[in-house]
Amino acid sequence: AQSVTQLGSHVSVSEGALVLLRCNYSSSVPPYLFWYVQYPNQGLQLLLKYTSAATLVKGINGFEAEFKKSETSFHLTKPSAHMSDAAEYFCAVMAYSNSGYALNFGKGTSLLVTP
Amino acid sequence: EAGVAQSPRYKIIEKRQSVAFWCNPISGHATLYWYQQILGQGPKLLIQFQNNGVVDDSQLPKDRFSAERLKGVDSTLKIQPAKLEDSAVYLCASSLDTSPRRLEQYFGPGTRLTVT
Repeated sequence: AQSVTQLGSHVSVSEGALVLLRCNYSSSVPPYLFWYVQYPNQGLQLLLKYTSAATLVKGINGFEAEFKKSETSFHLTKPSAHMSDAAEYFCAVMAYSNSGYALNFGKGTSLLVTP
Repeated sequence: EAGVAQSPRYKIIEKRQSVAFWCNPISGHATLYWYQQILGQGPKLLIQFQNNGVVDDSQLPKDRFSAERLKGVDSTLKIQPAKLEDSAVYLCASSLDTSPRRLEQYFGPGTRLTVT
């Protein structure tokens, strides 16, 4: 079964510093991978997705992620953190079952940005 | 384009009471999902509809949870009777369909349920 593991439930960075949120996947087939962001009291919003095209994927709000098959990773980065980036971030993998395709989410990483 | 709508946004009930949540997906989206998100965890799929048929309800506690999607548009999720461990945010999402390239899901704001 396809699954993802997010390393680090909490990450703290200073404003202007590099943001790196880690996600490793497990999949026996080429995966489709997603990063979602959740701001307080809101639903999830898609940041970016990998669907087997370019390995470097650019998303909204200056975020990007690189698919590395050799490392089974799909880490999310942003060169310079803004205060507004403080939120919960979820990595997800498309999983196939007898019922069809669905998303399996990681447990999330809470990003704190300090002045 | 209007997003996924959910109501109510917040609900507080006592254990053993019943509660219902409503979701209206993005127009034209055939697939609708209900997720349960417990504090500090990722969303867990409860049930998935394709039009008005159930695709996957393997993780729905059917002794107390039920869901329907009449006419293949909006949907309701009901809990009866509620338990303390049902306290969570219930998220509704929709996608064009379940084919791999059209699986991108759009989420509503969620309903925060507190069971006391």
